[in-house]
Amino acid sequence: EPEVTQTPSHQVTQMGQEVILRCVPISNHLYFYWYRQILGQKVEFLVSFYNNEISEKSEIFDDQFSVERPDGSNFTLKIRSTKLEDSAMYFCASSVQGNYEQYFGPGTRLTVT
Amino acid sequence: DAKTTQPPSMDCAEGRAANLPCNHSTISGNEYVYWYRQIHSQGPQYIIHGLKNNETNEMASLIITEDRKSSTLILPHATLRDTAVYYCIVRVAGGNTPLVFGKGTRLSVIA
Repeated sequence: EPEVTQTPSHQVTQMGQEVILRCVPISNHLYFYWYRQILGQKVEFLVSFYNNEISEKSEIFDDQFSVERPDGSNFTLKIRSTKLEDSAMYFCASSVQGNYEQYFGPGTRLTVT
Repeated sequence: DAKTTQPPSMDCAEGRAANLPCNHSTISGNEYVYWYRQIHSQGPQYIIHGLKNNETNEMASLIITEDRKSSTLILPHATLRDTAVYYCIVRVAGGNTPLVFGKGTRLSVIA
């Protein structure tokens, strides 16, 4: 069964550093999402992406964040200058169409020290 | 904010049916009810969704009341691996709307 994959599984970085989190969505899916979950808190939407542009973004997704689909398979989330409060699990998701169910990857645990 | 209300936790004996309730009294006519679950810190897993008719798949059944103000997710024969946080989410049909997660129900399946 096809699945969403994410790398790395755990990333440790120092405050102020740039990080890139990578996702490979399911191959025939056209809609891509990033969510995050701070430890012990709810899963929060960050951004959705379709047709090589952002469809919607939350208040969390400020100028420090960016997304890109650099090739036909990868979908990346970049945090330009990490802060301590960016420490969280980051989940990538994809869906075949916008109003279809979303399938989530296993997540990347980002730790900012 | 999430438009649903769920009990914070429930227990279920292994092998018995788990019935997880959800209240969504302000649901609109064009909104679906989705259920996801999250096992430990893994990515949320899609379970089932419906608009107004009852739905069943290999994982679960979804019962939606006639007035659509509440629903119940049924796991017919719960196993220890079904221990997870279950999220009931209301989402507009069509478009590309994100999922809005609440706190969900923590289901503990007990041997």
